Amino acid sequence: DAKTTQPPSMDCAEGRAANLPCNHSTISGNEYVYWYRQIHSQGPQYIIHGLKNNETNEMASLIITEDRKSSTLILPHATLRDTAVYYCALDSNSGYALNFGKGTSLLVTP
Amino acid sequence: NAGVMQNPRHLVRRRGQEARLRCSPMKGHSHVYWYRQLPEEGLKFMVYLQKENIIDESGMPKERFSAEFPKEGPSILRIQQVVRGDSAAYFCASSPADRVYEQYFGPGTRLTVT
Repeated sequence: DAKTTQPPSMDCAEGRAANLPCNHSTISGNEYVYWYRQIHSQGPQYIIHGLKNNETNEMASLIITEDRKSSTLILPHATLRDTAVYYCALDSNSGYALNFGKGTSLLVTP
Repeated sequence: NAGVMQNPRHLVRRRGQEARLRCSPMKGHSHVYWYRQLPEEGLKFMVYLQKENIIDESGMPKERFSAEFPKEGPSILRIQQVVRGDSAAYFCASSPADRVYEQYFGPGTRLTVT
């Protein structure tokens, strides 16, 4: 299965954009890229997913490079409540069997 | 609309005992998924079930682990003869039938094997 690599931690000032990178250089043709976040002691929360086109919803934007080997999750105006661990995941071409990386711990500071 | 419910939230078992973890999906969801999160690792897919059917168990260890989702009642993940390496957080997720990518996760069960 393709793996994902993320920086272990990042800081972001409140109100600024948070850009969280993910490397998935061994991704295969039909694997989707998913982003979830996990606040301490809770289950992961779905944010966004995509295949090759950039995607945007009310929570975030997802930018996938043309070669699909990396992606970036963008939180346009980070708030203190966005402090969480953010996971990039792939679905093994199944559409449902998600395998998460180790995640990036994002700290949003006042 | 209640979210995905899991119980117990914390479970302590001695080596060799059985662990039974329960998951009630969101109302209207007929698809259930189990994931395991080892310490300092991301979640890994274990099994995908619909009512009375195992759809994909490719992520389940071949021995000691089993899962079911009966017609009535919660989904159960059962671990027989637990070992220390089974200590982990076990998460259940559910999805609507037509959007299996949109998984809603429960709060998890943290299993500790002593």
